Parts: sequence; structure tokens; C-alpha cells
Amino acid sequence: DVVMTQSPLSLPVTLGQPASISCRSSQSLVYSDGNTYLTWFQQRPGQSPRRLIYKVSNRDSGVPDRFSGSGSGTDFTLKISRVEAEDIGVYYCMQGTHWPPATFGQGTKLEIK
Amino acid sequence: EVQLLESGGGLEQPGGSLRLSCAASGFTFSKYGMSWVRQAPGKGLEWVSGIGGGGDNTYYADSVKGRFTISRDNSKNTLYLQMNSLRAEDTAVYYCARGVVTADCWGQGTLVTVSS
Repeated sequence: DVVMTQSPLSLPVTLGQPASISCRSSQSLVYSDGNTYLTWFQQRPGQSPRRLIYKVSNRDSGVPDRFSGSGSGTDFTLKISRVEAEDIGVYYCMQGTHWPPATFGQGTKLEIK
Repeated sequence: EVQLLESGGGLEQPGGSLRLSCAASGFTFSKYGMSWVRQAPGKGLEWVSGIGGGGDNTYYADSVKGRFTISRDNSKNTLYLQMNSLRAEDTAVYYCARGVVTADCWGQGTLVTVSS
């Protein structure tokens, strides 16, 4: 199975400041169709996960443009340009290229300093 | 509006069985693959199983293969997960999600507790 490794696992951030989460895969996530199936999810406290970003850099409808995804191959990053209070929660990356199974990172807990 | 509503969770003894359901609305159910993802208490997300739109193609994580069966009834817009030979480590909130690995929409989850 493809192993997804996120860092950091805990991310204290000051409101209004940027934040960055890294996600690395144990093998390239480029699929035979040329797409890279790397997805980012947000899970706010007490809520279900919500998809933010798909295929590395495509924002879902309703996701603020302060969220952006980038990367290629095995190295990916989720950036929040200016953290707001509603952004606290746990962020997960997930690969859907080499499945089954789809595999998730351990999660990064974003908290306010 | 897309809605996914899970049900069927509860307390079950080790070795027992449960069947989870996920009622879908707000989209053409038969056109989408679906999946189950679980989250043990205080832990991360684990993909459990997926099924194609027609129901013919099914996929499982090794941790549940041979014990869990995913199925769907497109006439009822409902996804199922039959869980047999339950173990303590199956204790988790089980979410259904739209898409086999795209997971663009999630339900609110149903809690399964396996304990004697």
C-alpha cells in the first residue's frame, strides 16, 4: 500500500498568518491517465470530513481561495494564505491513484496560538 | 443538495454482525461509485470499501476483506455495508462518501462499537 506521510502533525498558527502542510507519498501518484489523484480534506471538531482540494490543486465549490494545493510526483503541499478561526481542525491528504486501498495521511491538527 | 445519511450503527459483541445503511439523495445515485471510510475514536481516517455505480465492482481494504461486504440498491438509492465477525478494532465512526476514491461528499457518520 502507498504510505502517506504528513508533516507537521501539529501546527499552531497565529490568526491572519499563513500555514503550510506537507504530504509525501511512498511512490509517485501520477496515474496512467496523466492525472495525479491527491486530495485534501478538512475535518472541523465534531464534524464529518469535507473535501477541499482534488487532483492536487483544484478547489472544491465553496472553498475559500485562501486555500491552495500544489505539488507533483511524491511531494504535495496545502497552504492557507491567512488562517481564520474557522480553519481550526485536522487536515488529511489522501491518495486515490494506487487503489485499492485509497490511503490517508496521519492528519495535521491546526490550532490557534 | 447532496445528502448522505448513515444508519445502523450500535453496540455489538465481538464475533457479531451489523449492517450499515447510507441513504442518498440530491443526485443520480446509480451514476456514482460509493465508499465507506471509518475513523476509530481519536484516530485518523481509514478507507474501508468501495463499489462501482452498477454494483458489480467491489473493493476492500485488507483489514476487512472476507468479513465485510459492500452492496447497493440503486432502486432505493441506498448503500450498505454488511459487517460480520466483528472485532474490537472495528470500533469506529463509519462514514459513507460519494465516489470510490473521490469522496467529494460525506455523511454525518454512524458509530459502531464492538465490545463485550
